[in-house]
Amino acid sequence: DVKVTQSSRYLVKRTGEKVFLECVQDMDHENMFWYRQDPGLGLRLIYFSYDVKMKEKGDIPEGYSVSREKKERFSLILESASTNQTSMYLCASVQGGFDTEAFFGQGTRLTVV
Amino acid sequence: GQQVMQIPQYQHVQEGEDFTTYCNSSTTLSNIQWYKQRPGGHPVFLIQLVKSGEVKKQKRLTFQFGEAKKNSSLHITATQTTDVGTYFCAGRRNTGFQKLVFGTGTRLLVSP
Repeated sequence: DVKVTQSSRYLVKRTGEKVFLECVQDMDHENMFWYRQDPGLGLRLIYFSYDVKMKEKGDIPEGYSVSREKKERFSLILESASTNQTSMYLCASVQGGFDTEAFFGQGTRLTVV
Repeated sequence: GQQVMQIPQYQHVQEGEDFTTYCNSSTTLSNIQWYKQRPGGHPVFLIQLVKSGEVKKQKRLTFQFGEAKKNSSLHITATQTTDVGTYFCAGRRNTGFQKLVFGTGTRLLVSP
């Protein structure tokens, strides 16, 4: 079974802090995604990566950056956390190809105070 | 911004009633996938539709992809309490990288 692991289940950070959310997958997938989930808004794509060191902006990249130094690891960085970034963050991993499913991590609920 | 909308946002049914959620995209999709997220869980893949007008069934669940490949629906016959959760559609566009865009989701509550 594919396993996608996010480093933290719950996280509380202060406004202005730099926050790192880590995601690791064990199936050698090319594509990895970061979403945030908010009630009524569904899953909104922040960034995705289709290869090591390659990244593309999603629909809501402002205030975030990403890093993919190794194929199995995709990190989401909040440069200076703000209260409007309080949310559930979900990482997903997808093998290359147009007909493959996404495998999700368990999610990180981030609260910025 | 969000370009895949789902309706309704929320539905509460009695066990045994039917349920349908609709997914609409502003652009043509190469395929559409459906996911289910149980309360407190993460989205889990249910099915994928690729062909225009395609219909697929999984027991009490029926999935349909529109002729224009811009909309889709999920119908559950005779809901059960185990159907509780949020249902998301997700689509890939015909151009560009494999950007997987999710819909806004429909939260289903089933009362016994």
